[in-house]
Amino acid sequence: DTAVSQTPKYLVTQMGNDKSIKCEQNLGHDTMYWYKQDSKKFLKIMFSYNNKELIINETVPNRFSPKSPDKAHLNLHINSLELGDSAVYFCASSQDSGRRYEQYFGPGTRLTVT
Amino acid sequence: AQSVTQPDIHITVSEGASLELRCNYSYGATPYLFWYVQSPGQGLQLLLKYFSGDTLVQGIKGFEAEFKRSQSSFNLRKPSVHWSDAAEYFCAVGLSGGYNKLIFGAGTRLAVHP
Repeated sequence: DTAVSQTPKYLVTQMGNDKSIKCEQNLGHDTMYWYKQDSKKFLKIMFSYNNKELIINETVPNRFSPKSPDKAHLNLHINSLELGDSAVYFCASSQDSGRRYEQYFGPGTRLTVT
Repeated sequence: AQSVTQPDIHITVSEGASLELRCNYSYGATPYLFWYVQSPGQGLQLLLKYFSGDTLVQGIKGFEAEFKRSQSSFNLRKPSVHWSDAAEYFCAVGLSGGYNKLIFGAGTRLAVHP
C-alpha cells in the first residue's frame, strides 16, 4: 500500500490554464506539506497543514492555493499557469508538526507548462 | 539565515569503493539533521537523522553519518557502494520554532561505475 500518493504523476498543460494536484496519505499523520523541486533539483517547501490548518506558507504566488479537506488529503490548485511553474511537486506528511518527526514523501508530480 | 551546503554536485565512485558525501549547515540553534535519497523518478526516502546524543548515526542501506558541531558538518558515508546506490542525495536541516520546516541542500548526484 502506498503511504503518500499523488495524482497525476505527470501533467502537461498550456500557459494560462488552471490545474490541481491531489495528495493523499494513509499513514494517519496530522501534518502534510507541498514542496517544489525545480529543474536543478533544488527542493523548497511551499505550504504545510496541521490538522487542516495552514501552518507554513512560504513566499509563493497567490496563484497557488492549497486546500485540505481532511487530515489525509492536501490538494494544490494552481491558477493561470506560467512557464516558470514547470517543476516536480512533492507532497509529504509527518506524524505531527514538530521537527523531530520524519517526513514521508510522495512520488512527485511532474508539471510541464508549455 | 539558515542554509545547507552540499559542495559536491556530482560524485562518481566505483562499485565496492567507499563513499563520503559532504554536508555543511548554517543554523544558530541545535540542528536536527537529515539525509534523504531520491532515486530516479521517485520521491525522497529518509536514510538517517540526527537529533541529539551519539554523533555517529546509523541509517538504512548501510549508510552512516557523523555530526561534527565544530565543523558544522553532517557527512554521509558508506564503506562499500553498490550499483543500486546511484541516486541523488539531499542533506536537510529541520528548523526550530514549532513547525517541521526542512531546509534542503542542493543535492549530490552519485554515479556508480561497475
